[in-house]
Amino acid sequence: RKEVEQDPGPFNVPEGATVAFNCTYSNSASQSFFWYRQDCRKEPKLLMSVYSSGNEDGRFTAQLNRASQYISLLIRDSKLSDSATYLCVGNSGNTPLVFGKGTRLSVIA
Amino acid sequence: DTAVSQTPKYLVTQMGNDKSIKCEQNLGHDTMYWYKQDSKKFLKIMFSYNNKELIINETVPNRFSPKSPDKAHLNLHINSLELGDSAVYFCASSQRVTNEKLFFGSGTQLSVL
Repeated sequence: RKEVEQDPGPFNVPEGATVAFNCTYSNSASQSFFWYRQDCRKEPKLLMSVYSSGNEDGRFTAQLNRASQYISLLIRDSKLSDSATYLCVGNSGNTPLVFGKGTRLSVIA
Repeated sequence: DTAVSQTPKYLVTQMGNDKSIKCEQNLGHDTMYWYKQDSKKFLKIMFSYNNKELIINETVPNRFSPKSPDKAHLNLHINSLELGDSAVYFCASSQRVTNEKLFFGSGTQLSVL
């Protein structure tokens, strides 16, 4: 199974800070990438897709670097409610999504 | 309305027992999955079904047997439960096999004593 790897953290940041997570993938044929968010004791939920051209949604920006085989997630102006585990996800063709182990973010007041 | 629902939410049982987890989706999706999330929070695919047909069976012991009576349901039966089976099991669905957006159920916390 192709893998995605990410720093498990935890990242402890103050409110209002900007924080970035990176995730590397080993399968150069991987076509689709996503960031999912998982709150404690909850199911993962799609946060955003990642496109080669970059993707921005409010305070969140996702980037894909195919040459270096990594994707990133940038969160600006962190809120307490951003505290969660962020899962990097990729797939290739007909394969189901492969999840990274997640990066834990704690935003502190 | 819950899009992907699985029951039970909690399951506590003794080693050696047989148990089932049920999953239903009302999204009209073709593909359903079972994922296992262990104590280290690693989310790993177990099975994938497309239109009631098994398409992915990762390295999972034969004690785990999925059943899909129709494309809206994917149940998971586990025989002879072992301590190492303790985990959170998530059901999920997607529109198509190649459609990447997964919708997850709320999970079943299985504790084997």
